[in-house]
Amino acid sequence: AQSVTQPDIHITVSEGASLELRCNYSYGATPYLFWYVQSPGQGLQLLLKYFSGDTLVQGIKGFEAEFKRSQSSFNLRKPSVHWSDAAEYFCAVGPLDTDKLIFGTGTRLQVFP
Amino acid sequence: GAGVSQSPRYKVAKRGQDVALRCDPISGHVSLFWYQQALGQGPEFLTYFQNEAQLDKSGLPSDRFFAERPEGSVSTLKIQRTQQEDSAVYLCASSSVQGARNTEAFFGQGTRLTVV
Repeated sequence: AQSVTQPDIHITVSEGASLELRCNYSYGATPYLFWYVQSPGQGLQLLLKYFSGDTLVQGIKGFEAEFKRSQSSFNLRKPSVHWSDAAEYFCAVGPLDTDKLIFGTGTRLQVFP
Repeated sequence: GAGVSQSPRYKVAKRGQDVALRCDPISGHVSLFWYQQALGQGPEFLTYFQNEAQLDKSGLPSDRFFAERPEGSVSTLKIQRTQQEDSAVYLCASSSVQGARNTEAFFGQGTRLTVV
């Protein structure tokens, strides 16, 4: 069955520490891949996306993600977290045969000063 | 407008009441999507419009849910005879080209529906 898995429900890091949020997908073919961030009371904002080409993708706010076909993963990383990064992060896939996005259940990031 | 606008931001409905949620997409955007986000969950697809045509409504959970976009711009999601399980945030998104795969889909802030 097609699925998107974010195994970490909640992550806590100290400000300035590095961050990696995990995302795994299960599809017959490599879909388009996205990371969105949702702050309280706000809509979803696109951080970055992968369609093809270079497997290391740079996004906004200093985030990057690496697509690994062998692991069906698209993990999000940031070398140094800021307090303003505290939010909910969603991985999403765009299957090749539909126009919709399929989201994971999200990872809530908490940042301690 | 500058972004996707949704109204109302909050709606409390009594069980059995009908509700209508409005979405104003970014001007000129062809594609419009509705998603439902239950508490603690990721958004789930409800329906997709390309201009005024509803091309995919496979995510609508029941025949109580109905969406329209008659002039290819503003869209309304209507829920009839609301039930408690309809309580969620309803998100609208739009994009400038067909589908959401090839370009960024811009999301509104959502309408939080609480059915009591």
